[in-house]
Amino acid sequence: SQQGEEDPQALSIQEGENATMNCSYKTSINNLQWYRQNSGRGLVHLILIRSNEREKHSGRLRVTLDTSKKSSSLLITASRAADTASYFCATGETSGSRLTFGEGTQLTVNP
Amino acid sequence: ETGVTQTPRHLVMGMTNKKSLKCEQHLGHNAMYWYKQSAKKPLELMFVYSLEERVENNSVPSRFSPECPNSSHLFLHLHTLQPEDSALYLCASSQDHGQGEQFFGPGTRLTVL
Repeated sequence: SQQGEEDPQALSIQEGENATMNCSYKTSINNLQWYRQNSGRGLVHLILIRSNEREKHSGRLRVTLDTSKKSSSLLITASRAADTASYFCATGETSGSRLTFGEGTQLTVNP
Repeated sequence: ETGVTQTPRHLVMGMTNKKSLKCEQHLGHNAMYWYKQSAKKPLELMFVYSLEERVENNSVPSRFSPECPNSSHLFLHLHTLQPEDSALYLCASSQDHGQGEQFFGPGTRLTVL
């Protein structure tokens, strides 16, 4: 089993709706990050939340972190067709020095 | 696009070929990474370089050979690959080696025939 697991694996919504993706992890972390990847391209960093933070906002993005449940959520409000991409969480574990990525959630926003 | 470039963007090679992937970062970062991304799998960290020294090598087969001649350039030399090595190979950089934000290149789509 892996450190970061996103849920759902795939999500399809209509433009204007909100999209919520979840990430669960297993060990203690220093931080958790969310990345976006458009088809066949590199990953783009969206937001970093530290273990002592509970919520962060960036534009239409809202990230929450619950260390007691070892989970995080990424909310995209008022979605647009351009938000169609895969979204990955990555955790920085306290026991290591690397980032560990999950399998990602494929988000499709229909116009 | 970010400040990390990769060439070539697409590569098709036979199992007996030798080829190299190139990555260049223009961000003044000290750490560079190679990842392998296969369908339906999480990103697999292959190699990490910090200040031109290899600091991680995650049980990667010897048919993959990294090279970091300076802090801005990273190569992945490929030799005698297998069809299961077909994947998207991503290069990334970060200010320092650790758990900070990483900046990714667009990747090289590799197909091994």
